[in-house]
Amino acid sequence: NAGVTQTPKFQVLKTGQSMTLQCAQDMNHEYMSWYRQDPGMGLRLIHYSVGAGITDQGEVPNGYNVSRSTTEDFPLRLLSAAPSQTSVYFCASSLGGARGNTIYFGEGSWLTVV
Amino acid sequence: AQSVTQPDIHITVSEGASLELRCNYSYGATPYLFWYVQSPGQGLQLLLKYFSGDTLVQGIKGFEAEFKRSQSSFNLRKPSVHWSDAAEYFCAVDLTGGGNKLTFGTGTQLKVEL
Repeated sequence: NAGVTQTPKFQVLKTGQSMTLQCAQDMNHEYMSWYRQDPGMGLRLIHYSVGAGITDQGEVPNGYNVSRSTTEDFPLRLLSAAPSQTSVYFCASSLGGARGNTIYFGEGSWLTVV
Repeated sequence: AQSVTQPDIHITVSEGASLELRCNYSYGATPYLFWYVQSPGQGLQLLLKYFSGDTLVQGIKGFEAEFKRSQSSFNLRKPSVHWSDAAEYFCAVDLTGGGNKLTFGTGTQLKVEL
C-alpha cells in the first residue's frame, strides 16, 4: 500500500519558471490538501479539495494553482516560481466526511527557487 | 481565527527524564486535536489524536496527551524519554473533523541529552 506519494522529492527552479508537484493517493480518500512548511512557521495550508472537481483556497494560496480531476491525484502548480516559494511541500489525504478521520501525509517535496 | 500556540521553540531533556510539550488553541468550540512528530528530512507521523470522550489520550511510542477544556490545552507527555525521541513535534487542530484543513502550531524542537 503506497499511501500518499509525492514527486519529485527534490527540485531546484529558477525564478519565473513553472512546475507541478505531483500528489497521488491509493486509499480512495475524498479529502486532499497541500501544505508548505517553513522554518519557525509550522505547516500552512495552501489549497484543499473535498472531492474530484472541488477545490478551495487555504491560508497561503497566492502563486499556486490546483485542480482535482480524479479522486487519486491532486497536483500543485507553481505558475511563476519566486524565491519566497522555497519551502518543503506536503500533500495530505483523508477519508473526509465523517469525523475522526486519520490524515495521511506524503514524505514531502523540497523545492528551492533561485 | 483559530490558532495554535506552542510556547516552547526548543526543549532539551536528559534521556530517561519525563517530557511535557505544551499546546494551546484558540477556538470557541472543542476542535479535533492532533500531535505529529517529524524527524529530520522526514514527513509527519501521527502520534495521537483527540476527538471526544476520555480526555487522556494514549498514542504511539509511549506518548500521551491530555485535553483540558478549561485551559484550552492539549499537552503532550512521555514519562521517560529515549534518545530516538529527538525530533520536532507539532500540535494541530482541525475544526471540520474531515481532516482537510489543519492548523498547525509552529513546532517544538526536542533535543535529548545522553
